[in-house]
Amino acid sequence: DQQVKQNSPSLSVQEGRISILNCDYTNSMFDYFLWYKKYPAEGPTFLISISSIKDKNEDGRFTVFLNKSAKHLSLHIVPSQPGDSAVYFCAARTDKLIFGTGTRLQVFP
Amino acid sequence: EAQVTQNPRYLITVTGKKLTVTCSQNMNHEYMSWYRQDPGLGLRQIYYSMNVEVTDKGDVPEGYKVSRKEKRNFPLILESPSPNQTSLYFCASSGQLAGAYEQYFGPGTRLTVT
Repeated sequence: DQQVKQNSPSLSVQEGRISILNCDYTNSMFDYFLWYKKYPAEGPTFLISISSIKDKNEDGRFTVFLNKSAKHLSLHIVPSQPGDSAVYFCAARTDKLIFGTGTRLQVFP
Repeated sequence: EAQVTQNPRYLITVTGKKLTVTCSQNMNHEYMSWYRQDPGLGLRQIYYSMNVEVTDKGDVPEGYKVSRKEKRNFPLILESPSPNQTSLYFCASSGQLAGAYEQYFGPGTRLTVT
């Protein structure tokens, strides 16, 4: 029973354009959501988060949107850069973090 | 430098041979956790610890043991490894007691059991 789903295993975007990574969840009790980025041969690193009482949080080129009625979370990266190429995990919180399966983003020149 | 370290980074072993993967953090975090990452399954929690001498099962604890004798260390023990434990393992720590906010991850240990 996958409570946090990332239905797109991969995404390819041209440099300078917008990258949109999506995440769906099933548990309405989640109260906090996070995005992590993972480069090869490294551990995941925290990127950005959002509380369930908000619908948007922005940090530089990264913005996370939360649509509670649709149980949907998205991460927007604008403009995308080649260094953003990585695997992105969304995670949701109850008493612990539950991770999605990840989306591999490739940003090409 | 604040960090979580894991050793070894790579390990190939045979079925049944006991092994330990060490994890250490220098941030004085109360919460520590072990995850495994498998293709198509994301990160799944194996065990976690809220503080010294306090450990609890995560989502996939079968075949694993942990201990938390010191705040900084949280080793993962495979008493009798099997091929289905071939995976990429991550240790993580958090200063939040619930461990469910931002977690700091180690670099990972790639384990192959033949």
